[in-house]
Amino acid sequence: DTAVSQTPKYLVTQMGNDKSIKCEQNLGHDTMYWYKQDSKKFLKIMFSYNNKELIINETVPNRFSPKSPDKAHLNLHINSLELGDSAVYFCASNLRGNTEAFFGQGTRLTVV
Amino acid sequence: GQQVMQIPQYQHVQEGEDFTTYCNSSTTLSNIQWYKQRPGGHPVFLIQLVKSGEVKKQKRLTFQFGEAKKNSSLHITATQTTDVGTYFCAANFGNEKLTFGTGTRLTIIP
Repeated sequence: DTAVSQTPKYLVTQMGNDKSIKCEQNLGHDTMYWYKQDSKKFLKIMFSYNNKELIINETVPNRFSPKSPDKAHLNLHINSLELGDSAVYFCASNLRGNTEAFFGQGTRLTVV
Repeated sequence: GQQVMQIPQYQHVQEGEDFTTYCNSSTTLSNIQWYKQRPGGHPVFLIQLVKSGEVKKQKRLTFQFGEAKKNSSLHITATQTTDVGTYFCAANFGNEKLTFGTGTRLTIIP
C-alpha cells in the first residue's frame, strides 16, 4: 500500500530525448509537488498543483511540463533532456495548508 | 528571496555523542517542518512546529522553534547508527511553498 508512488525508479537516457515520470498518491491529498534533488542533496521545488490547478511554478526551463489529470496524479514530462537534468526527482503530496508532506521513493534520472 | 540556511552541512559523530542541526531565516516563518532522509531514501516527515518558542520531543530527538519564529533546531541525544541520514528543515513563509534548508548530513562512527 504505497502512499505516493513514482515510476520509473531509475531512468537512463541520452541527451535530446523526451521522457516522462509518473506519480500517483492514494492518500486523498489535494496538493501534489515535484522536487528536484541534485548531487549535493539540495531539494528544490519545481511545481505544485492543487486540485489539478497549477499553484507554484518555480523558475524551471519550459522543457519541463507538468500535467495533473486528476488530484491523485501528477506527471512530469521533460523535453530535449540535457546533462544538467540528471538528478533525483521526488513527487510529494499533502493537504493544502502546509501539512505534513509525503514523498515518493524518487526517480533517479541520468542523462548521458 | 526567501531562503533558509542550515548548518552544519556535514557532521560526523561518535556513536553515543549528541548532534544538533540549526536552521535560520532572515524573515519570520509561519511554521517549520523537519524531515529525515536515509541514504538512498526519500524525505520522511518528522515534526511540525508552529508556535513561537515551541519545544517538542520524540524519544531522543528534541525540536525547538525560536521565539521570533526565525530559527529552529533539532537535537539528537546519544546518537545511534540508525540516526544516519540527512536532516532537512522545511520552512513555510506563508506562501504555501515549503522551502527546504540545505540539509545536514549526519554520519555515525561506531
